[in-house]
Amino acid sequence: DGGITQSPKYLFRKEGQNVTLSCEQNLNHDAMYWYRQDPGQGLRLIYYSQIVNDFQKGDIAEGYSVSREKKESFPLTVTSAQKNPTAFYLCASSRGGQTSTDTQYFGPGTRLTVL
Amino acid sequence: QKEVEQDPGPLSVPEGAIVSLNCTYSNSAFQYFMWYRQYSRKGPELLMYTYSSGNKEDGRFTAQVDKSSKYISLFIRDSQPSDSATYLCAMSAVYGNEKLTFGTGTRLTIIP
Repeated sequence: DGGITQSPKYLFRKEGQNVTLSCEQNLNHDAMYWYRQDPGQGLRLIYYSQIVNDFQKGDIAEGYSVSREKKESFPLTVTSAQKNPTAFYLCASSRGGQTSTDTQYFGPGTRLTVL
Repeated sequence: QKEVEQDPGPLSVPEGAIVSLNCTYSNSAFQYFMWYRQYSRKGPELLMYTYSSGNKEDGRFTAQVDKSSKYISLFIRDSQPSDSATYLCAMSAVYGNEKLTFGTGTRLTIIP
């Protein structure tokens, strides 16, 4: 069954703690993305990676870090430097490369709450 | 001003009605236009994908793009309670769409 998995579904964190969100895909996609969704603001791009061992900052990268050591995995770390981390985090992937029919497919999301 | 504007709703219509959802945008470089459907506490799923101007139909769904007006629409015919969700428009300027720009989403409820 191909798709994108994110874990955990719900995550609670104390202030000052770093936390890592998992994203795995078995679609053989080259590109992966992390978005944050807040009420009334739509999806905002945090980081994206078009190939293994390479990634770029999105529009709101401050306070976040990522790694892309394997094609199928793109974990996101929310650090204590992120001022307002409570949000719904979405991972997505796409085939990547120069293809006109490329589209992004999303995982089920992780809801992070800072206590 | 946001690059993509979308009325957040909420929008409530009776079952069987035709639903019209819209987005406007300011970046004339956008060429690829998408509509995603998102159920509560779930990830968005791709509904429609169009390139440049024109119409595209898929079952009860029709996507329209008017690049001259910088306006896109999604029409849902014979709406069903299962269509109740938040609908997000998204668009990009280049191949590979790594820089998707999303609207804020319109929350739609179909009343049985």
